[in-house]
Amino acid sequence: GIQVEQSPPDLILQEGANSTLRCNFSDSVNNLQWFHQNPWGQLINLFYIPSGTKQNGRLSATTVATERYSLLYISSSQTTDSGVYFCAVAKGGNKLVFGAGTILRVKS
Amino acid sequence: DAGVTQSPTHLIKTRGQHVTLRCSPISGHKSVSWYQQVLGQGPQFIFQYYEKEERGRGNFPDRFSARQFPNYSSELNVNALLLGDSALYLCASSPHEDRPEQYFGPGTRLTVT
Repeated sequence: GIQVEQSPPDLILQEGANSTLRCNFSDSVNNLQWFHQNPWGQLINLFYIPSGTKQNGRLSATTVATERYSLLYISSSQTTDSGVYFCAVAKGGNKLVFGAGTILRVKS
Repeated sequence: DAGVTQSPTHLIKTRGQHVTLRCSPISGHKSVSWYQQVLGQGPQFIFQYYEKEERGRGNFPDRFSARQFPNYSSELNVNALLLGDSALYLCASSPHEDRPEQYFGPGTRLTVT
């Protein structure tokens, strides 16, 4: 099956710093989503981005499908950005395969 | 519009018991998927249902079963609970098989003692 690798596994930032999270996947996909999991376990949709670039406020994402990777950019980080960021992909159908996540801690 | 809802939010069961978890998808969404997330890991796919038919099954034992009702809500059943079944169970819905973007509910946290 598809393998998904996320890096870095842990990231500590000072408030206001920028960061880049990476997601590598092992096969072509028709779905790629980025999620933020809050401390209560809720997975919050950030981007649906099987290819191309999208921006939403301080967050943006780019997926290069031909090279099988996606990047999530967080600019001017805030303490509320803390949590776990997951990349998930699917090759046909709705079976999402998740990476292990990146734990982000933003310090004030 | 209401998002995906799940019940109960928390549940404590004893080994060997049976549990039923419930999920209501976003209005208009016809596909429901279930995931298990153990502590420290990403969610793992259990089942997908679309129009009341099973469309996919992950690598889980037969103790796990699910169904989807005519109103597109869904139940996940787990029999003969093991300690290792302790996890956050997440339900996700999507509008259609051809629109795979999924939206997740808040989850049910199951503890097996």
